[in-house]
Amino acid sequence: GENVEQHPSTLSVQEGDSAVIKCTYSDSASNYFPWYKQELGKGPQLIIDIRSNVGEKKDQRIAVTLNKTAKHFSLHITETQPEDSAVYFCAASIHGQNFVFGPGTRLSVLP
Amino acid sequence: EAQVTQNPRYLITVTGKKLTVTCSQNMNHEYMSWYRQDPGLGLRQIYYSMNVEVTDKGDVPEGYKVSRKEKRNFPLILESPSPNQTSLYFCASSPKAFGYGYTFGSGTRLTVV
Repeated sequence: GENVEQHPSTLSVQEGDSAVIKCTYSDSASNYFPWYKQELGKGPQLIIDIRSNVGEKKDQRIAVTLNKTAKHFSLHITETQPEDSAVYFCAASIHGQNFVFGPGTRLSVLP
Repeated sequence: EAQVTQNPRYLITVTGKKLTVTCSQNMNHEYMSWYRQDPGLGLRQIYYSMNVEVTDKGDVPEGYKVSRKEKRNFPLILESPSPNQTSLYFCASSPKAFGYGYTFGSGTRLTVV
Protein backbone atom coordinates (compact mmCIF):
# COMPACT_ATOMS: atom_id res chain seq x y z
CA GLY A 1 0.00 0.00 0.00
CA GLU A 2 0.87 3.68 -0.12
CA ASN A 3 3.40 5.04 2.36
CA VAL A 4 4.03 8.74 2.94
CA GLU A 5 7.15 10.06 4.65
CA GLN A 6 7.54 13.66 5.76
CA HIS A 7 10.64 15.66 6.66
CA PRO A 8 11.68 17.36 8.80
CA SER A 9 9.66 16.43 11.87
CA THR A 10 10.39 19.83 13.43
CA LEU A 11 11.45 23.06 11.78
CA SER A 12 12.33 26.42 13.31
CA VAL A 13 12.76 29.52 11.16
CA GLN A 14 13.16 33.21 11.80
CA GLU A 15 10.21 35.42 11.00
CA GLY A 16 10.45 36.54 7.38
CA ASP A 17 12.49 33.52 6.25
CA SER A 18 11.17 30.73 4.05
CA ALA A 19 10.16 27.25 5.22
CA VAL A 20 10.15 24.08 3.13
CA ILE A 21 8.60 20.75 4.11
CA LYS A 22 9.06 17.71 1.90
CA CYS A 23 6.99 14.56 1.54
CA THR A 24 7.75 11.42 -0.40
CA TYR A 25 5.25 8.78 -1.45
CA SER A 26 5.71 5.21 -2.55
CA ASP A 27 2.91 4.48 -5.02
CA SER A 28 3.31 6.08 -8.44
CA ALA A 29 -0.47 5.79 -8.94
CA SER A 30 -1.10 8.49 -6.31
CA ASN A 31 -2.70 11.46 -8.02
CA TYR A 32 -3.89 13.96 -5.40
CA PHE A 33 -1.77 15.63 -2.73
CA PRO A 34 -3.30 17.98 -0.12
CA TRP A 35 -1.54 19.86 2.67
CA TYR A 36 -3.14 20.58 6.03
CA LYS A 37 -2.28 23.01 8.81
CA GLN A 38 -3.22 22.14 12.37
CA GLU A 39 -3.07 24.86 14.99
CA LEU A 40 -3.07 24.03 18.66
CA GLY A 41 -6.48 22.87 19.83
CA LYS A 42 -8.00 22.87 16.36
CA GLY A 43 -8.72 20.43 13.59
CA PRO A 44 -6.50 20.20 10.49
CA GLN A 45 -7.33 22.80 7.85
CA LEU A 46 -6.76 22.28 4.12
CA ILE A 47 -4.38 25.02 2.94
CA ILE A 48 -3.39 23.94 -0.55
CA ASP A 49 -3.55 20.89 -2.80
CA ILE A 50 -2.13 19.71 -6.08
CA ARG A 51 -3.13 17.08 -8.61
CA SER A 52 -0.74 14.90 -10.55
CA ASN A 53 -1.28 16.72 -13.84
CA VAL A 54 0.21 19.92 -12.38
CA GLY A 55 3.81 20.59 -11.34
CA GLU A 56 3.34 23.64 -9.14
CA LYS A 57 0.57 25.64 -7.51
CA LYS A 58 0.75 28.92 -5.60
CA ASP A 59 -1.60 30.72 -3.26
CA GLN A 60 -0.16 33.97 -1.92
CA ARG A 61 2.74 33.00 0.39
CA ILE A 62 2.16 29.26 0.03
CA ALA A 63 3.22 27.05 -2.86
CA VAL A 64 3.34 23.32 -3.49
CA THR A 65 5.58 21.59 -6.01
CA LEU A 66 5.24 18.04 -7.28
CA ASN A 67 7.93 15.87 -8.82
CA LYS A 68 6.20 12.75 -10.11
CA THR A 69 9.40 11.13 -11.32
CA ALA A 70 11.03 11.34 -7.91
CA LYS A 71 7.68 10.80 -6.12
CA HIS A 72 7.96 13.76 -3.84
CA PHE A 73 6.05 16.96 -3.22
CA SER A 74 6.96 19.96 -1.13
CA LEU A 75 5.26 22.80 0.71
CA HIS A 76 6.95 26.19 0.50
CA ILE A 77 6.01 29.06 2.80
CA THR A 78 7.64 32.40 2.07
CA GLU A 79 7.90 35.46 4.35
CA THR A 80 6.93 33.39 7.35
CA GLN A 81 4.94 34.99 10.15
CA PRO A 82 4.35 33.88 13.75
CA GLU A 83 0.82 32.79 12.83
CA ASP A 84 2.33 30.22 10.46
CA SER A 85 3.49 28.28 13.54
CA ALA A 86 1.56 25.00 13.52
CA VAL A 87 1.81 21.33 12.63
CA TYR A 88 1.66 20.67 8.90
CA PHE A 89 0.53 17.37 7.38
CA CYS A 90 0.88 16.16 3.85
CA ALA A 91 -1.29 13.42 2.36
CA ALA A 92 -1.48 11.35 -0.79
CA SER A 93 -4.31 9.45 -2.38
CA ILE A 94 -4.80 7.06 -5.21
CA HIS A 95 -8.11 7.32 -7.01
CA GLY A 96 -10.52 4.97 -5.33
CA GLN A 97 -8.60 4.77 -2.06
CA ASN A 98 -8.49 6.75 1.13
CA PHE A 99 -5.80 9.24 2.05
CA VAL A 100 -2.50 8.27 3.60
CA PHE A 101 -1.19 11.05 5.83
CA GLY A 102 2.39 11.93 6.61
CA PRO A 103 3.44 12.03 10.29
CA GLY A 104 3.49 15.83 10.45
CA THR A 105 6.03 18.67 10.76
CA ARG A 106 5.97 21.08 13.67
CA LEU A 107 6.88 24.52 12.33
CA SER A 108 7.94 27.25 14.74
CA VAL A 109 8.39 30.79 13.45
CA LEU A 110 10.59 32.73 15.83
CA PRO A 111 10.01 36.49 16.15
CA GLU B 1 -20.62 29.22 7.42
CA ALA B 2 -19.55 25.93 5.85
CA GLN B 3 -18.39 23.66 8.64
CA VAL B 4 -18.20 20.29 10.29
CA THR B 5 -19.58 20.37 13.83
CA GLN B 6 -18.59 17.81 16.43
CA ASN B 7 -19.98 17.41 19.90
CA PRO B 8 -18.90 17.26 22.60
CA ARG B 9 -15.48 18.96 22.46
CA TYR B 10 -14.34 17.26 25.66
CA LEU B 11 -15.61 14.09 27.29
CA ILE B 12 -14.47 12.09 30.29
CA THR B 13 -16.20 8.76 30.77
CA VAL B 14 -15.76 5.44 32.55
CA THR B 15 -14.88 2.10 31.04
CA GLY B 16 -17.87 0.32 29.56
CA LYS B 17 -20.31 3.23 29.48
CA LYS B 18 -21.69 3.61 25.96
CA LEU B 19 -21.19 6.99 24.34
CA THR B 20 -21.86 8.74 21.07
CA VAL B 21 -19.88 11.54 19.48
CA THR B 22 -21.98 13.46 17.00
CA CYS B 23 -20.79 14.91 13.70
CA SER B 24 -22.78 17.09 11.35
CA GLN B 25 -21.83 18.92 8.14
CA ASN B 26 -23.74 21.64 6.30
CA MET B 27 -22.00 21.42 2.93
CA ASN B 28 -24.03 18.60 1.33
CA HIS B 29 -20.85 16.51 1.21
CA GLU B 30 -21.20 12.89 0.15
CA TYR B 31 -18.13 11.58 1.97
CA MET B 32 -17.59 11.59 5.74
CA SER B 33 -14.95 9.98 7.88
CA TRP B 34 -13.74 9.58 11.44
CA TYR B 35 -10.08 9.76 12.48
CA ARG B 36 -8.27 9.43 15.75
CA GLN B 37 -5.06 11.31 16.45
CA ASP B 38 -2.53 9.97 18.90
CA PRO B 39 1.00 11.26 19.67
CA GLY B 40 3.54 9.51 17.48
CA LEU B 41 0.86 7.68 15.48
CA GLY B 42 -0.56 10.54 13.46
CA LEU B 43 -4.04 10.47 11.96
CA ARG B 44 -5.59 7.03 11.66
CA GLN B 45 -8.90 6.39 9.95
CA ILE B 46 -11.59 4.61 11.97
CA TYR B 47 -14.58 4.44 9.61
CA TYR B 48 -15.75 6.22 6.53
CA SER B 49 -18.95 6.67 4.56
CA MET B 50 -19.16 7.31 0.84
CA ASN B 51 -22.84 8.22 0.99
CA VAL B 52 -26.06 7.63 2.91
CA GLU B 53 -26.33 4.05 4.19
CA VAL B 54 -22.82 3.23 2.87
CA THR B 55 -20.13 2.79 5.53
CA ASP B 56 -16.85 0.90 5.63
CA LYS B 57 -13.99 0.17 7.99
CA GLY B 58 -10.84 2.22 8.02
CA ASP B 59 -7.51 1.22 9.51
CA VAL B 60 -8.53 1.01 13.19
CA PRO B 61 -12.27 0.14 13.41
CA GLU B 62 -12.20 -2.20 16.42
CA GLY B 63 -14.40 -0.98 19.27
CA TYR B 64 -16.27 1.60 17.17
CA LYS B 65 -19.54 1.74 15.25
CA VAL B 66 -20.95 4.32 12.88
CA SER B 67 -24.15 4.97 11.02
CA ARG B 68 -25.13 7.23 8.09
CA LYS B 69 -28.88 7.52 8.01
CA GLU B 70 -28.84 11.11 6.74
CA LYS B 71 -26.34 12.82 4.50
CA ARG B 72 -25.39 15.50 7.03
CA ASN B 73 -24.85 13.31 10.13
CA PHE B 74 -22.23 10.67 10.87
CA PRO B 75 -22.15 9.73 14.58
CA LEU B 76 -19.35 7.69 16.11
CA ILE B 77 -20.50 5.16 18.70
CA LEU B 78 -18.35 3.52 21.36
CA GLU B 79 -20.49 0.71 22.75
CA SER B 80 -18.09 -0.26 25.55
CA PRO B 81 -15.26 2.28 25.76
CA SER B 82 -11.89 1.17 27.06
CA PRO B 83 -8.88 3.25 28.21
CA ASN B 84 -7.03 2.55 24.92
CA GLN B 85 -9.72 4.58 23.16
CA THR B 86 -8.56 7.69 25.00
CA SER B 87 -7.65 9.94 22.09
CA LEU B 88 -8.41 13.04 20.06
CA TYR B 89 -11.12 12.33 17.50
CA PHE B 90 -11.82 14.22 14.30
CA CYS B 91 -14.74 14.02 11.92
CA ALA B 92 -14.10 15.08 8.33
CA SER B 93 -16.12 15.48 5.16
CA SER B 94 -15.44 16.06 1.47
CA PRO B 95 -17.62 16.63 -1.59
CA LYS B 96 -16.95 13.23 -3.12
CA ALA B 97 -15.39 9.97 -1.99
CA PHE B 98 -11.87 10.44 -3.33
CA GLY B 99 -9.64 13.08 -4.78
CA TYR B 100 -10.93 16.01 -2.69
CA GLY B 101 -9.55 17.62 0.41
CA TYR B 102 -11.27 17.24 3.74
CA THR B 103 -13.01 19.76 5.92
CA PHE B 104 -12.28 18.70 9.50
CA GLY B 105 -14.26 19.34 12.64
CA SER B 106 -12.67 20.94 15.70
CA GLY B 107 -12.12 17.64 17.44
CA THR B 108 -13.38 15.72 20.47
CA ARG B 109 -10.93 14.95 23.24
CA LEU B 110 -12.08 11.71 24.85
CA THR B 111 -10.69 10.32 28.10
CA VAL B 112 -11.78 6.87 29.25
CA VAL B 113 -10.91 6.06 32.87
